[in-house]
Amino acid sequence: EVQLVESGGGLVEPGGSLRLSCEVSGFTFSSHEINWVRQAPGKGLEWVSYISTSGYTIHYADSVKGRFTVSRDNAKNSLYLQMNSLRAEDTAVYYCATYSGSYGQHDYWGQGTLVTVSS
Amino acid sequence: DIQMTQSPSSVSASVGDRVTITCRASQGISSWLAWYQQKPGKAPKLLIYVASSLQSGVPSRFSGSGSGTDFTLTISSLQPEDFATYYCQQANSFPLTFGGGTKVEIK
Repeated sequence: EVQLVESGGGLVEPGGSLRLSCEVSGFTFSSHEINWVRQAPGKGLEWVSYISTSGYTIHYADSVKGRFTVSRDNAKNSLYLQMNSLRAEDTAVYYCATYSGSYGQHDYWGQGTLVTVSS
Repeated sequence: DIQMTQSPSSVSASVGDRVTITCRASQGISSWLAWYQQKPGKAPKLLIYVASSLQSGVPSRFSGSGSGTDFTLTISSLQPEDFATYYCQQANSFPLTFGGGTKVEIK
């Protein structure tokens, strides 16, 4: 069974940092591109970042560029999102999701982890 | 960036109704479009990819069509479990972008 499990969310003050993790099982992690997608409370979906299978190709949304860093450790079947200089508008549920670059869809999603940025 | 506009933002329908949701891209995206269903407190679920391909395990009452800038998601006979919010997503280019969502509510 394919599983993606996010962790690391919580309450942080504006300007603070958090590191999210996404641990996967049930498939060959190193063969899958992965995206982070977030959803602010009561709002729609927003793509955050993309990382290729090797980790060499990375893309970010303009809203997080320069503040967030995505990385992966294929030996540990894990994906990470380092979030610095957090703002209130970063408050959201953060999902990791496998991405098929060949067809452009998110096949499998984690359950999400809530990040709340507030003083 | 490619903007994705969904309409309507919400629709009230009854079990058995045919429901159509549209998604318009601000520029041509060929068939690089996916549709997702999301229920409250849950992660999105993939329904359709490359505009019209049904994801494995998704009921055949869901169908997608379109290319270029205009796309539709159709639910041929609405079932109780279909009441949810639906999103389109373009995959033509980064940044990937989603539509604003369409909430399908019980009439």
